[in-house]
Amino acid sequence: DTGVSQDPRHKITKRGQNVTFRCDPISEHNRLYWYRQTLGQGPEFLTYFQNEAQLEKSRLLSDRFSAERPKGSFSTLEIQRTEQGDSAMYLCASSLPGTDTIYFGEGSWLTVV
Amino acid sequence: GIQVEQSPPDLILQEGANSTLRCNFSDSVNNLQWFHQNPWGQLINLFYIPSGTKQNGRLSATTVATERYSLLYISSSQTTDSGVYFCAVNTGGFKTIFGAGTRLFVKA
Repeated sequence: DTGVSQDPRHKITKRGQNVTFRCDPISEHNRLYWYRQTLGQGPEFLTYFQNEAQLEKSRLLSDRFSAERPKGSFSTLEIQRTEQGDSAMYLCASSLPGTDTIYFGEGSWLTVV
Repeated sequence: GIQVEQSPPDLILQEGANSTLRCNFSDSVNNLQWFHQNPWGQLINLFYIPSGTKQNGRLSATTVATERYSLLYISSSQTTDSGVYFCAVNTGGFKTIFGAGTRLFVKA
């Protein structure tokens, strides 16, 4: 069990550029979640996948954000036309079906300059 | 939606001291978890505790679901306990709602 893996860990980008984050969940975890955390706040839910199906999306996920999990394994979160307000840590988590305990990755820090 | 309030927001302890962190929630929940976020951002699951009491070493947690609160006890605190402690609840569905956290600093 190698844990939830996220890449890159840190990303600095210029406003207006696109960025993509990757998440590899714990093997056999068919549930995958993306959260966003800003300084001084708790994580906020963005979206949820069960296998390859995206079953729930937060209103925080504007049309500049898109998440995919094409084969039900790894997932990507893309942010298009980044804005300074997108600066945050993007967290991925996974869990087994039938359980409520979720396991988080180390997060991907995004800074938009 | 459900509100999750944690107190105190900040806490400074001398190493060896005990502390109690509180989480209040505004509606019935299916589950409740406590997490510790270390200074590098890693969130570690401490307890899954929708009701009752659990203990793990120096940490223990109690959830009184009927009164909509949970407590996290830290005994004989160590500097490695520093970080942010989050309470997170789920009311059904796939969305877990986090409180704003309690920031703990343990002095040597």
